[in-house]
Amino acid sequence: DVKVTQSSRYLVKRTGEKVFLECVQDMDHENMFWYRQDPGLGLRLIYFSYDVKMKEKGDIPEGYSVSREKKERFSLILESASTNQTSMYLCASSLTTPVGAFFGQGTRLTVV
Amino acid sequence: TQLLEQSPQFLSIQEGENLTVYCNSSSVFSSLQWYRQEPGEGPVLLVTVVTGGEVKKLKRLTFQFGDARKDSSLHITAAQPGDTGLYLCAGARGSNYKLTFGKGTLLTVNP
Repeated sequence: DVKVTQSSRYLVKRTGEKVFLECVQDMDHENMFWYRQDPGLGLRLIYFSYDVKMKEKGDIPEGYSVSREKKERFSLILESASTNQTSMYLCASSLTTPVGAFFGQGTRLTVV
Repeated sequence: TQLLEQSPQFLSIQEGENLTVYCNSSSVFSSLQWYRQEPGEGPVLLVTVVTGGEVKKLKRLTFQFGDARKDSSLHITAAQPGDTGLYLCAGARGSNYKLTFGKGTLLTVNP
């Protein structure tokens, strides 16, 4: 079975802090994604990576950056956390074929 | 702009009833996927449809991809309380299959 693991289930950070969310997948997938999920807004794509060191902005990249130094690891960085970044963050991976994505368990981030 | 529109947004039914939820777009997708998400967890892939007009069955769930590859439906027969959850559709576009999600249909099946 594909496993996508996010480093934390719950995280509380202060406004202005730099926050790192880590995601690791064990199935050699080319694609990795970061989404945030908010009530009434659904899953919104933050960033997408289709290869090591390659990234593409999603629909809401402002305030975020990403890093993909190794194929199995995709990190989301909040440069200076703000309260409007309080959300559920979901990482996913997929092959570069239309067979579907596999999600991690999510990180619920609260910025106070 | 929401590329994928799901309807209804909420659905509450009794055990044993049938239901259909819809996923519509004005865009053409390479593939369309359906996921189910439980509270506090990540979405879990149910099915991927690739060919226009394709129908796939997964026990009591029937998935259909529109002929023009712009829309899809999910039909559940004889719903059970265990079917309760958020049903999400997602479309893949471009050569790298970037995924875009609809907002979901929150289904509650009452015993």
